[in-house]
Amino acid sequence: NAGVTQTPKFQVLKTGQSMTLQCAQDMNHEYMSWYRQDPGMGLRLIHYSVGAGITDQGEVPNGYNVSRSTTEDFPLRLLSAAPSQTSVYFCASRETGVGELFFGEGSRLTVL
Amino acid sequence: SQKIEQNSEALNIQEGKTATLTCNYTNYSPAYLQWYRQDPGRGPVFLLLIRENEKEKRKERLKVTFDTTLKQSLFHITASQPADSATYLCALWDYGGSQGNLIFGKGTKLSVKP
Repeated sequence: NAGVTQTPKFQVLKTGQSMTLQCAQDMNHEYMSWYRQDPGMGLRLIHYSVGAGITDQGEVPNGYNVSRSTTEDFPLRLLSAAPSQTSVYFCASRETGVGELFFGEGSRLTVL
Repeated sequence: SQKIEQNSEALNIQEGKTATLTCNYTNYSPAYLQWYRQDPGRGPVFLLLIRENEKEKRKERLKVTFDTTLKQSLFHITASQPADSATYLCALWDYGGSQGNLIFGKGTKLSVKP
């Protein structure tokens, strides 16, 4: 089973460049989310979605955009990358309710 | 909003001993609390969920307790093994948004020495 798939695994950007982190899940989960993980800060929620066409902001949304056109996909867009966005990004999904989150393997982003 | 504290950044124990990790929260008691394991370079993996009306939950060598009076959860690994070495994350629901989201503690890095 694929579960939650993130691409790319590694990316280096220059300040001001834009890019999209891809996330796809094959479990038909309505809920999907993006977290970033930084040393000493733990996992922080960026954006989340409770279904196709519905997105909302988490704790640290500035500098990021999301959309949810299908149940399967939830891409995260960096419009103009900044060094402060250097981090490891995790996509996660779950069924409706309070069950476990299924995480992808992460995308490590470095902004120079 | 809810805050979570895992009061040890790192815990070193000897193989065969019981590891005990602590998770404290500051505001309202969540209806559910979860524990995850994260290995270096990997995404977190779910281990256990405990409900507020469940004082204790077990899964093989893992045991979780939930004390809503103390606002604390304890995570125990009995007969620990070097393969248990990882970072363990506590998580609970924050109902501040349109639908609850999981918020995470910073984690405790467990090292089990042979």
